[in-house]
Amino acid sequence: DGGITQSPKYLFRKEGQNVTLSCEQNLNHDAMYWYRQDPGQGLRLIYYSQIVNDFQKGDIAEGYSVSREKKESFPLTVTSAQKNPTAFYLCASKNRGSSPLHFGNGTRLTVT
Amino acid sequence: AQTVTQSQPEMSVQEAETVTLSCTYDTSESDYYLFWYKQPPSRQMILVIRQEAYKQQNATENRFSVNFQKAAKSFSLKISDSQLGDAAMYFCAYRSAIREYGNKLVFGAGTILRVKS
Repeated sequence: DGGITQSPKYLFRKEGQNVTLSCEQNLNHDAMYWYRQDPGQGLRLIYYSQIVNDFQKGDIAEGYSVSREKKESFPLTVTSAQKNPTAFYLCASKNRGSSPLHFGNGTRLTVT
Repeated sequence: AQTVTQSQPEMSVQEAETVTLSCTYDTSESDYYLFWYKQPPSRQMILVIRQEAYKQQNATENRFSVNFQKAAKSFSLKISDSQLGDAAMYFCAYRSAIREYGNKLVFGAGTILRVKS
């Protein structure tokens, strides 16, 4: 079945460490997105990519980095510069045209 | 920049009754898309319904329907015959139709819907 896989489901890190969240899709979608979800704030866009080897900052990109070397993969690195990294992270992808976003199941990151 | 506002942090409905979730948005664009997503406790984001701004007819998906008021920039979700499985967080979202803007979704803060048996 086609879909978006985010791994791991839960991730724990010590403060000061970089951590990479995985997002893989087999839907052959061109565009991919990373959102962060905090209680009471809905989802906020971190980075997005509309095509391989190209990506743009979203509304809260500071402290994060991404790469898009393959169409299927869009990993997100949470760096030590991110001041409040503990959150739920959702990856999404989209086909061309007016189609809706498809979401992965998310990764809960806890930094202590 | 576009903004989406959901003024009801939490709503409750009796099973089999009808409930309406409110959403307003702000944009200067004339062509765009609006969505309602459901997020159950599993935290999976599930598309409930979508509306194209150029369509005057309100979208309907089984027990879910919207009241789209373009001039008022309002996009409410009506859930009829509420079921226990409808209990979730509901997000309203906006997306510009301008491809150069990246097809980004702008989300509201969400409304928690509780269904009472």
